[in-house]
Order: sequence, then C-alpha cells, then structure tokens
Amino acid sequence: QSVLAQPPSVSGAPGQRVTISCTGSSSNIGAGYDVHWYQQLPGTAPRLLIYGNNNRPSGVPDRFSASKSGTSASLAITGLQSEDEADYYCQSYDLSAYVFGTGTKVSVL
Amino acid sequence: EVQLLESGGGLVQPGGSLRLSCAASGFTFSHYAMSWVRQAPGKGLEWVSAISRFGGDTFYADSVKGRFTISRDSSENTLFLEMAGLRAEDTAIYFCAKYQGSYWNQLSFDQWGQGTLVTVSS
Repeated sequence: QSVLAQPPSVSGAPGQRVTISCTGSSSNIGAGYDVHWYQQLPGTAPRLLIYGNNNRPSGVPDRFSASKSGTSASLAITGLQSEDEADYYCQSYDLSAYVFGTGTKVSVL
Repeated sequence: EVQLLESGGGLVQPGGSLRLSCAASGFTFSHYAMSWVRQAPGKGLEWVSAISRFGGDTFYADSVKGRFTISRDSSENTLFLEMAGLRAEDTAIYFCAKYQGSYWNQLSFDQWGQGTLVTVSS
C-alpha cells in the first residue's frame, strides 16, 4: 500500500480554494526528498502539475501551488474551475523506490 | 513535441509472459532516465521500474523484482519491459514515463505515454 496518505476526496464550488494534503514520514518527505504532484483527468494519463515541491512546468496555470513542511506537503487550487475535476497524486522517494500518494478526487460542485 | 507510445499489452494467462515497448520521440532519448508506472483498474499509481540514461542501472519495485526486466535501445529510441511469471495482481494499465531532474532521489515524471493495458486472467 502507498506510504503517502491523501484524503480520498475534496470538493468545492467554482471559484473557491481547495487544498489536498499528502502525509508521509521520516523516510520520505521528512527525509528531505522532493514532492511532486500530478493531475489525472478521467481516462487520460497523468500530467505533471508541480515538481520540486513548488515549481510549475510551463503551461500549468498559477492557480495551482504547493508547499512542503516536515513530513507533509499540500497542493492548493485557487479559483476552482470545472476543468479541475480530476484525480490528484503526490509523489516522492522512499527507501530506493518512487512512491505515490493514495490519490484525491477533486469534485467541482 | 515529446511523444511516448506504448504497445504490447493484452490478455495473458497467469504465469505467462509479455513484452511491453515504448517508442519515444521529440527528445534526445539517451539523455534521460526512463520508467514504467502502472495503474490497476480503478486504483492509484504504482511505480514499477526505472532505468538510467545508458541502461547501466536498473531499479524495481519489490512487487515485481525478479519477474520483470527493464531495458532500452537508444538506437531505436525504445524502452522495454519484459514481464514474466505474471499474476492477476499485475493487471493494470502500464505507462511509460520520462524522468526529469538531476538526482535519482529527486526525480519527477514529466512526460507520460497514454498507456497499454495488461490483463492477467485465465
């Protein structure tokens, strides 16, 4: 099972701000390894959303931001839009393996 | 434009073998480490295997170690995953992914293929 815990779902109205937590431990996030975030729209491949804890690849709107502290990280979506409905995964490194979070489904009400 | 195109998936019986391929284009293939990530139906993402730029270093998840073999052919810009001793729990969409970053323990997956479905069932 995944070593990075995320809430199964979060929801918000259009325009609102939602946050997704990613809780790890001293062997992954707490060890100083970077956290990355991915967005997976229904029926598609994942897309890199945030890399290196808080960096956006070109083309990713600045509505998406992330942070990391201690053994946890979080992704924030401000100004929620209908096209943000998707699954979101955090990812880090742990004991010689790449680990993903359990995934969070974001719903726009 | 970066493109990763997986192929080779299908239905295989438990204990059987399958070889997945990932044809890469739009970037200098030999400059980047590559990986396979899978997703069981309705489930989350699971890292499977990784290979260094020149193929000298390979890494595997515990769940596939000793059964799967990753390799690459830079002359053909192609990544492979040889899967043997397949089990029902290996049923998943297998994605080919390109790494970005400088250090193994800080890498992220910046480009993904569309995936190929592997179904292990009798």
